[in-house]
Amino acid sequence: TQLLEQSPQFLSIQEGENLTVYCNSSSVFSSLQWYRQEPGEGPVLLVTVVTGGEVKKLKRLTFQFGDARKDSSLHITAAQPGDTGLYLCHVTGFQKLVFGTGTRLLVSP
Amino acid sequence: DTEVTQTPKHLVMGMTNKKSLKCEQHMGHRAMYWYKQKAKKPPELMFVYSYEKLSINESVPSRFSPECPNSSLLNLHLHALQPEDSALYLCASAVVSGANVLTFGAGSRLTVL
Repeated sequence: TQLLEQSPQFLSIQEGENLTVYCNSSSVFSSLQWYRQEPGEGPVLLVTVVTGGEVKKLKRLTFQFGDARKDSSLHITAAQPGDTGLYLCHVTGFQKLVFGTGTRLLVSP
Repeated sequence: DTEVTQTPKHLVMGMTNKKSLKCEQHMGHRAMYWYKQKAKKPPELMFVYSYEKLSINESVPSRFSPECPNSSLLNLHLHALQPEDSALYLCASAVVSGANVLTFGAGSRLTVL
């Protein structure tokens, strides 16, 4: 059983489109992180969310932690080719150290 | 210095070889991690070291042997690997074990022939 399910698994869009990636679980977590990984590189931290209902913005990226701290979403506005990569949610609470199933995003010019 | 450095970047080895992957950080982090990542999959946790002691081993086969000589260095010794062990091996560090933020290296791409 996968602890963190992400959807969609793969997304191919045109530059300028908006998109949302979801990270869902049946467990409650004390915090959740979002990472982006580009080909040939290690994951790079984008954000950490801690409080249920929390919304954080990073330029064109908006992150939300669910009220019950079981799920999270990442919304990208006006996607650019530089947003291409593997997006991973990750949890480090309650003795869990696990990544989500991942969402591969391809943004074409 | 805010980096995690992994060497080598690429490694090709036969099934009878013995090789090692190395990881180094100088951020004063006391938790270090090894992850394995297959193509188009998320990283899978292998080992966690906390204050130079092994704290988590995710049932990794004994052909993978981790070592933490000091607080800045982490090694992964490889022996008698199988072709299915070919993957990207990622090292990460954190201020302490269980901390929210992991800093990753760029990885070592391993190919087992």
